[in-house]
Amino acid sequence: DAGITQSPRYKITETGRQVTLMCHQTWSHSYMFWYRQDLGHGLRLIYYSAAADITDKGEVPDGYVVSRSKTENFPLTLESATRSQTSVYFCASRHTDEQFFGPGTRLTVL
Amino acid sequence: GNSVTQMEGPVTLSEEAFLTINCTYTATGYPSLFWYVQYPGEGLQLLLKATKADDKGSNKGFEATYRKETTSFHLEKGSVQVSDSAVYFCALRGTGGTSYGKLTFGQGTILTVHP
Repeated sequence: DAGITQSPRYKITETGRQVTLMCHQTWSHSYMFWYRQDLGHGLRLIYYSAAADITDKGEVPDGYVVSRSKTENFPLTLESATRSQTSVYFCASRHTDEQFFGPGTRLTVL
Repeated sequence: GNSVTQMEGPVTLSEEAFLTINCTYTATGYPSLFWYVQYPGEGLQLLLKATKADDKGSNKGFEATYRKETTSFHLEKGSVQVSDSAVYFCALRGTGGTSYGKLTFGQGTILTVHP
């Protein structure tokens, strides 16, 4: 399927566990982004990447790690999950003016 | 820094009613402005955009005009349908520096349209 895919779509984990959310795009867009969506906050940028091996922090990066060894993949890792990281996570890629979003991963940290 | 403020929701309308969702922004320079829509269970989709002052973006009957003098980008539709029920996000993309095309989003407005 063309576009952006995210996996898993739903994840329940426990406090302190490491969790990795996967993001894959089929277009080879240079820019990719990770957002979290929380009620009352809209979408907040966690990390972004301008190309393979180039990443930088966004608005709320604490507790998250990213990597981008290949243009098409941009995984997001929660090194030690906390309850405050319960959220819906969206990956996106950018082409000219438009960002294209994946379907999201709903993460619950117990 | 850049910021976007949307009207508080949720907004509930009857089918064929007129819709306005207010959006104002704070940014330096000349940002591009966007409206994204999120249908239940899905990711965000670009609805319309405007890249300079006085531009009007339009799509699917929705319109928004880039007003630099009032720093606003209000979303309007003359006659809403049940299928327009969704969450609407106003966003801006800053210019220059290390913006990397990052978007700054408003908090979102939930729209529910009843038959």
